[in-house]
Amino acid sequence: DSGVTQTPKHLITATGQRVTLRCSPRSGDLSVYWYQQSLDQGLQFLIQYYNGEERAKGNILERFSAQQFPDLHSELNLSSLELGDSALYFCASSASSGASYNEQFFGPGTRLTVL
Amino acid sequence: AQKVTQAQTEISVVEKEDVTLDCVYETRDTTYYLFWYKQPPSGELVFLIRRNSFDEQNEISGRYSWNFQKSTSSFNFTITASQVVDSAVYFCALSDSNAGGTSYGKLTFGQGTILTVHP
Repeated sequence: DSGVTQTPKHLITATGQRVTLRCSPRSGDLSVYWYQQSLDQGLQFLIQYYNGEERAKGNILERFSAQQFPDLHSELNLSSLELGDSALYFCASSASSGASYNEQFFGPGTRLTVL
Repeated sequence: AQKVTQAQTEISVVEKEDVTLDCVYETRDTTYYLFWYKQPPSGELVFLIRRNSFDEQNEISGRYSWNFQKSTSSFNFTITASQVVDSAVYFCALSDSNAGGTSYGKLTFGQGTILTVHP
């Protein structure tokens, strides 16, 4: 158990809908990362937050957004969903500084299926 | 741009065989960090090791060992005396470091190597 929690575990929805994925980092970790894992794209970095502020952005679609709240949990919002958004979405957290030498601990993931 | 290549898509071995998973990376940064993660059938990503670009010492942890060679931009992972429980997808990853010297730590992953260990 990494200490990172994600809810829900599974999500099935229809095209055009909007969903919210939730992540709670390990106790004390200020940095949260979101990744998407799909068969065609592999594991890709989406976005990073550090202590409530956006730090880095990857190839995140405009239809996707995220935020980190004062209690450090983070939410990833996916809207106008398309079939191609079906994937496993991981949240990871790392120790306070967010520097690259800190390993990231991953949550169990949320499997999103868009029908 | 950073890139990680794991040329072996799938490897199949019989229990007790040694197996090496290859990882080659590309980066323009002088300071960077390399990682290996394991993804068992249950789906979670498990951290195995971190190595920084200044430390080329090989590392051994039980049946696992890692060989980092900066000259060939490789960070290979060897499992000695493989076991069925080692069956998983293994990912090599490279950590970002921006030009300003402040590291954000986003990971660039390779495509992964599916390891199947047969009894």
